[in-house]
Amino acid sequence: DAGVTQSPTHLIKTRGQHVTLRCSPISGHKSVSWYQQVLGQGPQFIFQYYEKEERGRGNFPDRFSARQFPNYSSELNVNALLLGDSALYLCASILSGDTEAFFGQGTRLTVV
Amino acid sequence: GEDVEQSLFLSVREGDSSVINCTYTDSSSTYLYWYKQEPGAGLQLLTYIFSNMDMKQDQRLTVLLNKKDKHLSLRIADTQTGDSAIYFCAENTGFQKLVFGTGTRLLVSP
Repeated sequence: DAGVTQSPTHLIKTRGQHVTLRCSPISGHKSVSWYQQVLGQGPQFIFQYYEKEERGRGNFPDRFSARQFPNYSSELNVNALLLGDSALYLCASILSGDTEAFFGQGTRLTVV
Repeated sequence: GEDVEQSLFLSVREGDSSVINCTYTDSSSTYLYWYKQEPGAGLQLLTYIFSNMDMKQDQRLTVLLNKKDKHLSLRIADTQTGDSAIYFCAENTGFQKLVFGTGTRLLVSP
């Protein structure tokens, strides 16, 4: 079985641009969460989606948005990129309820 | 507020036991987790404990939970050089919103 897959693995963007990051959860998992991990810190919660509905949102500006598709894959969009958005973006896949969250390898975004 | 605290650094010799400590804040957290992160990689789930348990053992890993003091610890027995990594504790504050600590860097020397 494939684990959580994220694409792309690395990305370089210029300030002001827009970026879309993608995540495919583990087969059978219906919930996806997104986290931002700035270098030297622990991951920070951005969004959680379950059955295509947003279930939770962290303390991030409206430049950050996400959606979940009928096949449970998800996209994270960030508009008007700032240098401070440079981070590792992690996607977590959850079967259901409050159980284990399995993370992908992440997308490393560098904003220059 | 949400603030999970961990010590920043731990150094041990190969074969010794390692104990990584964590203090969490939300007494209503249902699950508490330990994740391992190697350089340039994502997070690997090591183990978790339900909030109504005091202890959980899984091979070389032992998790202890003191709910009164909101203290969580991870003991790694017979620590190996391959255990060198950053270890994060995390609390589930509801709807799978995980609040992570700042991470403890474990260095295992031969």
